[in-house]
Amino acid sequence: KQEVTQIPAALSVPEGENLVLNCSFTDSAIYNLQWFRQDPGKGLTSLLLIQSSQREQTSGRLNASLDKSSGRSTLYIAASQPGDSATYLCAISMNYGGSQGNLIFGKGTKLSVKP
Amino acid sequence: NAGVTQTPKFQVLKTGQSMTLQCAQDMNHEYMSWYRQDPGMGLRLIHYSVGAGITDQGEVPNGYNVSRSTTEDFPLRLLSAAPSQTSVYFCASSEQGYYGYTFGSGTRLTVV
Repeated sequence: KQEVTQIPAALSVPEGENLVLNCSFTDSAIYNLQWFRQDPGKGLTSLLLIQSSQREQTSGRLNASLDKSSGRSTLYIAASQPGDSATYLCAISMNYGGSQGNLIFGKGTKLSVKP
Repeated sequence: NAGVTQTPKFQVLKTGQSMTLQCAQDMNHEYMSWYRQDPGMGLRLIHYSVGAGITDQGEVPNGYNVSRSTTEDFPLRLLSAAPSQTSVYFCASSEQGYYGYTFGSGTRLTVV
């Protein structure tokens, strides 16, 4: 059974720092991996999607990497801002005979960026 | 595009009442699914559908029913609400294959 772990559970940094959020998974037979952002009381906003054949994806100050062999993904946030404060969720879709499976979520990293 | 639309946004039920949470998407996505989010438990899959007329159970299906008569709609029915079903419910959809999942804004349900 696929298990997704996110460490740390919470992180507090001063504004301007570069930071890395970690996601690990136990089964490398993934279809893709998706990073989401969730603000308090709100829904999930997709940040980056990495296909199993890709190594990384970038969007603005965000960069996500994927290493299937080691079962790891990282989300790098450059020059953090208070507006980046939110919970970040990693979710994996398994590969079922070439078809995309449902999402399996980690429990998230709650990020607080202090002015 | 509206994306994934969930209604209602908030609901309070009494134990034993039934209700339907609505989910609609306008992206012609084949895959649709329901998750619940609880503190300390993360998001867990309730039911999912890979196309009209096809549904299956997820990790926590007890107490919930679904049906998929059209590509656009995937309602979630609570048969007899229990306090353990107090949660935030999210509907998601995906085009089969390459583009990841899109989520609705959620329904916050309280059962008293």
